[in-house]
Amino acid sequence: KQEVTQIPAALSVPEGENLVLNCSFTDSAIYNLQWFRQDPGKGLTSLLLIQSSQREQTSGRLNASLDKSSGRSTLYIAASQPGDSATYLCAEQTGANNLFFGTGTRLTVIP
Amino acid sequence: NAGVMQNPRHLVRRRGQEARLRCSPMKGHSHVYWYRQLPEEGLKFMVYLQKENIIDESGMPKERFSAEFPKEGPSILRIQQVVRGDSAAYFCASSRSGGRSNTEAFFGQGTRLTVV
Repeated sequence: KQEVTQIPAALSVPEGENLVLNCSFTDSAIYNLQWFRQDPGKGLTSLLLIQSSQREQTSGRLNASLDKSSGRSTLYIAASQPGDSATYLCAEQTGANNLFFGTGTRLTVIP
Repeated sequence: NAGVMQNPRHLVRRRGQEARLRCSPMKGHSHVYWYRQLPEEGLKFMVYLQKENIIDESGMPKERFSAEFPKEGPSILRIQQVVRGDSAAYFCASSRSGGRSNTEAFFGQGTRLTVV
């Protein structure tokens, strides 16, 4: 059964801290893994996409890694800011054409 | 280049009525996906369409739900005879291509359906 798990479910950090969000997946036949941000009552904003042949992707203060052998991906946020507060979702694309989502990590950055 | 456009943003329907949700993909995108997010749950895939074709509807409930993506115009997700359990946020995503091409999916703002 395909599962995507995100730990922790919620996280609070003081402004300026570096943090890591974790995502694990059970289906090793992964095509790509995508990280999204969702603000309350809003849609999803794509942050980073890592293809199966890649190990990591970087965009500004964000860095995402992919380890297919262990079925894990991490999203690293450097120097966190209150504006980073949101729910972060990881999603796996496998043989099917759709994305399989985790339940998210709700991040709060305290000023 | 406008992003994925969904309308309406909010929709209220009484039990038994029909709900029609519309999605216009990003320019140049011919692949559309519908997802549902129930309260306090993750997003779940419903259906994947290309122009005039349903490619994968494995996530669609067997009854009352249907989707189309005509040659002209937006993709439509249609829910007949809505029930309270249909209350959710419905998201549409589009991509330039599908399958193994590893293209990024872009999401709309969603339609929040409330059944009263």
